[in-house]
Amino acid sequence: DAKTTQPPSMDCAEGRAANLPCNHSTISGNEYVYWYRQIHSQGPQYIIHGLKNNETNEMASLIITEDRKSSTLILPHATLRDTAVYYCIVRAGSRTTDSWGKLQFGAGTQVVVTP
Amino acid sequence: GAGVSQSPSNKVTEKGKDVELRCDPISGHTALYWYRQRLGQGLEFLIYFQGNSAPDKSGLPSDRFSAERTGESVSTLTIQRTQQEDSAVYLCASSVERQGGWTQYFGPGTRLLVL
Repeated sequence: DAKTTQPPSMDCAEGRAANLPCNHSTISGNEYVYWYRQIHSQGPQYIIHGLKNNETNEMASLIITEDRKSSTLILPHATLRDTAVYYCIVRAGSRTTDSWGKLQFGAGTQVVVTP
Repeated sequence: GAGVSQSPSNKVTEKGKDVELRCDPISGHTALYWYRQRLGQGLEFLIYFQGNSAPDKSGLPSDRFSAERTGESVSTLTIQRTQQEDSAVYLCASSVERQGGWTQYFGPGTRLLVL
């Protein structure tokens, strides 16, 4: 799996949009971009994933650049409950590599939403 | 529907004892994963089951660790002769193919403390 680079921390004001960047310059053509978050003392929570098109769901939006070398997770209206570590992961969407089954979590971005 | 469940939620044991950790995946999910997360650190992949295929055990740290899965349901992670360095949160995830990707959904974890 390709490696990702994320800023270690980010603060966001409650009610504002939080834009979380992720670089994945070595991403392969069959690799998806996944975002998870982990709230303190809980298991990771799936947020969203995409291949090349922008995606939106009830939690967030995912913007992937045309060259797919970077992406941004957008939390449109951050709340205090969005305080968590956010992980950007790239992995193959099909069983074509030995590492397919594993999610390789990096250090992530610690997001703190303040009142 | 119900999410991934794990039991026990907390386990305290003495060094040298064996422990068994249980994971009930989401019904219908064919893939199941175990990860370990030490305090303040990221997730480490341990093992992955997919249907009737041989499990990917490449992440198991030693032969004291083993895991079994009954069909496409319950999995048990066993740690024999526990050591203090085994203290961690053990997370289970299951996945299903969704929109071309396999999205993993995590349980709450079992917090293991080896005294």
